Amino acid sequence: DVKVTQSSRYLVKRTGEKVFLECVQDMDHENMFWYRQDPGLGLRLIYFSYDVKMKEKGDIPEGYSVSREKKERFSLILESASTNQTSMYLCASSQDRGHVDTQYFGPGTRLTVL
Amino acid sequence: DAKTTQPPSMDCAEGRAANLPCNHSTISGNEYVYWYRQIHSQGPQYIIHGLKNNETNEMASLIITEDRKSSTLILPHATLRDTAVYYCIVVPTASKLTFGTGTRLQVTL
Repeated sequence: DVKVTQSSRYLVKRTGEKVFLECVQDMDHENMFWYRQDPGLGLRLIYFSYDVKMKEKGDIPEGYSVSREKKERFSLILESASTNQTSMYLCASSQDRGHVDTQYFGPGTRLTVL
Repeated sequence: DAKTTQPPSMDCAEGRAANLPCNHSTISGNEYVYWYRQIHSQGPQYIIHGLKNNETNEMASLIITEDRKSSTLILPHATLRDTAVYYCIVVPTASKLTFGTGTRLQVTL
């Protein structure tokens, strides 16, 4: 079974702190994704990566950056956390097979910024 | 990407078929219909996808109308474990999935 793990289930940080959210997948997938999920807004794509050291902006990249130094690991970075970044963050990965691109999700990290 | 419209909530009795509709009247010829679901406190889970033809797998069936402007996800024998939020997504490539608010399906005894 594909396994996508995220470093924390719950995280509490203060405004202005630098926050790292880590995601690891164990299936040698090319593609990795970061989403955030907010009530009434559904899941929104922040960034994705289709190869090591490659990244592309999703729908809401502002306030975030990412890093992919190794194929299995994709990090989401909040340079200076703000209260409006309080959310559930979900990581996903997929094999690159064109349109047939099933995404496998991790359990999520619920981040609270005080 | 085409916008989708789903009812916010539905109920279904256990053992009965759950039919979840999705309207995507602005769908383009190269856009696929994907369905995912999210059980409480878990990440989303892929269910099925299709382009023009109806599709079936071990989880569900997908019926797409001939004009492709709407589709229906069918869970043939719903169980309590199928209680979840179901997302219908229409995109040209699965690498750009954008999830809306979905349909909250409640399966009851």
